[in-house]
Amino acid sequence: AQRVTQPEKLLSVFKGAPVELKCNYSYSGSPELFWYVQYSRQRLQLLLRHISRESIKGFTADLNKGETSFHLKKPFAQEEDSAMYYCALRARGGADGLTFGKGTHLIIQP
Amino acid sequence: KAGVTQTPRYLIKTRGQQVTLSCSPISGHRSVSWYQQTPGQGLQFLFEYFSETQRNKGNFPGRFSGRQFSNSRSEMNVSTLELGDSALYLCASSFGQSPSKGNEQYFGPGTRLTVT
Repeated sequence: AQRVTQPEKLLSVFKGAPVELKCNYSYSGSPELFWYVQYSRQRLQLLLRHISRESIKGFTADLNKGETSFHLKKPFAQEEDSAMYYCALRARGGADGLTFGKGTHLIIQP
Repeated sequence: KAGVTQTPRYLIKTRGQQVTLSCSPISGHRSVSWYQQTPGQGLQFLFEYFSETQRNKGNFPGRFSGRQFSNSRSEMNVSTLELGDSALYLCASSFGQSPSKGNEQYFGPGTRLTVT
């Protein structure tokens, strides 16, 4: 069975500093990885997915199959980035739906 | 375009009772997935429906069931409620079956179920 680990429950950084939210996964096959974000009082929403290789709101994430990681990065944090971030994995074929990590609460201090 | 809606938003039930939660997907979306969110276990996949058929199922007991109607609206039912079923139940819809094939999953606000 697959598993997603987000080692930090809480991450606090100052505005303008770089941000890195860690995500490690275990899955025997080739996974599909996603980052979801939930801002205060808002719904869970997709931030980015690894197959798109896109940058959303300045965030990027690279899939490292050797280290089984999918860390989320942003070079300069902004106060509006404060939110809960969830890393999620879907097995090829999608037989088990999305497997989520426990989430990291990111706080950007002014 | 209206977002995913879930009813009711809050619900209090007694142990042993059964409950039905409803999810209306975004117009045109045919896939609906359900998730349970608790402080201890986080977000866990319950099941996914596409074109009225259950396509995927998570590791939950048979007390948890669901269905999807021809208009893509979905319901999930939990029978013989236990205290541990207290959770936020999230519904997500997408146009296609897999969120990775360019079909983004849009989440609803959730139904907060409290079992006493």
